[in-house]
Amino acid sequence: KNEVEQSPQNLTAQEGEFITINCSYSVGISALHWLQQHPGGGIVSLFMLSSGKKKHGRLIATINIQEKHSSLHITASHPRDSAVYICAVNYGGSQGNLIFGKGTKLSVKP
Amino acid sequence: DAGVIQSPRHEVTEMGQEVTLRCKPISGHDYLFWYRQTMMRGLELLIYFNNNVPIDDSGMPEDRFSAKMPNASFSTLKIQPSEPRDSAVYFCASSLEAEAFFGQGTRLTVV
Repeated sequence: KNEVEQSPQNLTAQEGEFITINCSYSVGISALHWLQQHPGGGIVSLFMLSSGKKKHGRLIATINIQEKHSSLHITASHPRDSAVYICAVNYGGSQGNLIFGKGTKLSVKP
Repeated sequence: DAGVIQSPRHEVTEMGQEVTLRCKPISGHDYLFWYRQTMMRGLELLIYFNNNVPIDDSGMPEDRFSAKMPNASFSTLKIQPSEPRDSAVYFCASSLEAEAFFGQGTRLTVV
């Protein structure tokens, strides 16, 4: 069974803290995505990666293919980072479809 | 480009009625996906198209659900007849090179 597991489910942090959200998957993938869903419901793609590391502003995503694990880091967290962060993977060689984790609800307190 | 456009944003309907959700993908994107999000199950793929052709509809819950993509700029997801358990947020997404762009979603409530 193809599964995507995220941890933690819920995370509360103080403004300025360094945050890490983890994602593990069960079989080989072609790509892994990190998505952000704001309280209003809209979903935004943050990263798509198949190896190594990507950085965008205060966000960093890493993936370890051998360990089937990815992390999303947020440096100098801010209350506007409060959202649900969702890990999703593409299995197989084509774009196919995305299998989603349950999401991590992040709340950053001022 | 205005992004992926879904309509309506909210829909409230009575059980047994037909519901049609609409999606306009980003111009030039060749993949279109329909997803459903519920509290219990999170996000799930319902069906996806490549170049207007349905590729995988194994996520469509039952025959009450149908989806069409008559051209590259328009897709519909229809539920007939609707049931209370269909209440969810339905997202449409499009992509060109694997990175998906999502619409704002349609929040469906079936009473």
